[in-house]
Amino acid sequence: EPEVTQTPSHQVTQMGQEVILRCVPISNHLYFYWYRQILGQKVEFLVSFYNNEISEKSEIFDDQFSVERPDGSNFTLKIRSTKLEDSAMYFCASSPDREETQYFGPGTRLLVL
Amino acid sequence: GDSVTQMEGPVTLSEEAFLTINCTYTATGYPSLFWYVQYPGEGLQLLLKATKADDKGSNKGFEATYRKETTSFHLEKGSVQVSDSAVYFCALSDPASGGSYIPTFGRGTSLIVHP
Repeated sequence: EPEVTQTPSHQVTQMGQEVILRCVPISNHLYFYWYRQILGQKVEFLVSFYNNEISEKSEIFDDQFSVERPDGSNFTLKIRSTKLEDSAMYFCASSPDREETQYFGPGTRLLVL
Repeated sequence: GDSVTQMEGPVTLSEEAFLTINCTYTATGYPSLFWYVQYPGEGLQLLLKATKADDKGSNKGFEATYRKETTSFHLEKGSVQVSDSAVYFCALSDPASGGSYIPTFGRGTSLIVHP
């Protein structure tokens, strides 16, 4: 069964450094998403992406964040200058269309020191 | 805004015990309600859903009934197995009321089932 994959599974970085989290969505899906979950808190929506542009974003998704689909398979989330409070689990998801079920990846655990 | 509240975990049960994980919601309209499950090392998977009041979603022996009068969507299973150990997330989406198809999640409830 096709699945969403994410790399790396864990990343440790120093405050102020840039990180790029990578995702490979399911190949025939058109909508892509990033969510995050700070330890002990809710899963929060960050951004959705369709047709090579952001279709929806939350208040969390500020200028520190950017997303890109650099080629036909990868979907990336970049955090330009990480802060301690960016430490969280980051989930990527994809769906065939916006009202259809989203399929989630296993997550990348980011720790900012 | 819309929100989901679910019981804190971990919930620890013996195999074959009855499971209830409570979930209540706040929404302006008539949302669709979901339960997702995350097994260790895997992504969130849709477990079941219900799209209108009194609907019952069911899958893999799990059930949840959309109760509009109590704004609840409690997850139940009659007899849990060790393989049900996972984190369970309640969620809603409310596109019909000017909201979005993006689900709003609860914090997740960890279930641990002992042999």
